Amino acid sequence: AQSVTQPDIHITVSEGASLELRCNYSYGATPYLFWYVQSPGQGLQLLLKYFSGDTLVQGIKGFEAEFKRSQSSFNLRKPSVHWSDAAEYFCAVGSWGKFQFGAGTQVVVTP
Amino acid sequence: GAVVSQHPSWVICKSGTSVKIECRSLDFQATTMFWYRQFPKQSLMLMATSNEGSKATYEQGVEKDKFLINHASLTLSTLTVTSAHPEDSSFYICSARDRPQTYEQYFGPGTRLTVT
Repeated sequence: AQSVTQPDIHITVSEGASLELRCNYSYGATPYLFWYVQSPGQGLQLLLKYFSGDTLVQGIKGFEAEFKRSQSSFNLRKPSVHWSDAAEYFCAVGSWGKFQFGAGTQVVVTP
Repeated sequence: GAVVSQHPSWVICKSGTSVKIECRSLDFQATTMFWYRQFPKQSLMLMATSNEGSKATYEQGVEKDKFLINHASLTLSTLTVTSAHPEDSSFYICSARDRPQTYEQYFGPGTRLTVT
């Protein structure tokens, strides 16, 4: 069955430290991959996407993600987090014209 | 560009009444719009896909008679929750796609529905 897994429900990170959010997928072919961020009570903002080509993708707000076909992963990274990065992060897979979202990872940033 | 709005941003209604939520693409024509439901602390679950001028396609387990979706124009889709009950309380998010062959979706800010 097709699935998107975000293994970490909750991550706490110190301001200025690096952040990595994991995303694994299970699909028959290479799907289209996305990372979105959601602030409380808000809609989703696209951070970055991967369709094909260079497997290291740069996004907004200093985020990047790396597609690893062998590991079926699309992990999101940021070298130095800011307090404003505290939010819910969703990995999404596009297939057959629709999205399937992971369960989300809540990021808390401490001073 | 690619802005999607939703109205209202939050609504409270009494059990048994119906409530309509609007989703508009402000600066592009949306060939396809999607409706999602999000429970607190959970992910987004796709409810239905609507294409302009045709009937919506509902995901398995979603009651189409309860969640009426209309996509009458290329910039407007509506979700009507009929005979709402407290268990329908949720955060409803719409998204829109501007081209048929793209996977990219633009999301609205969401509508918080509370049924009392």
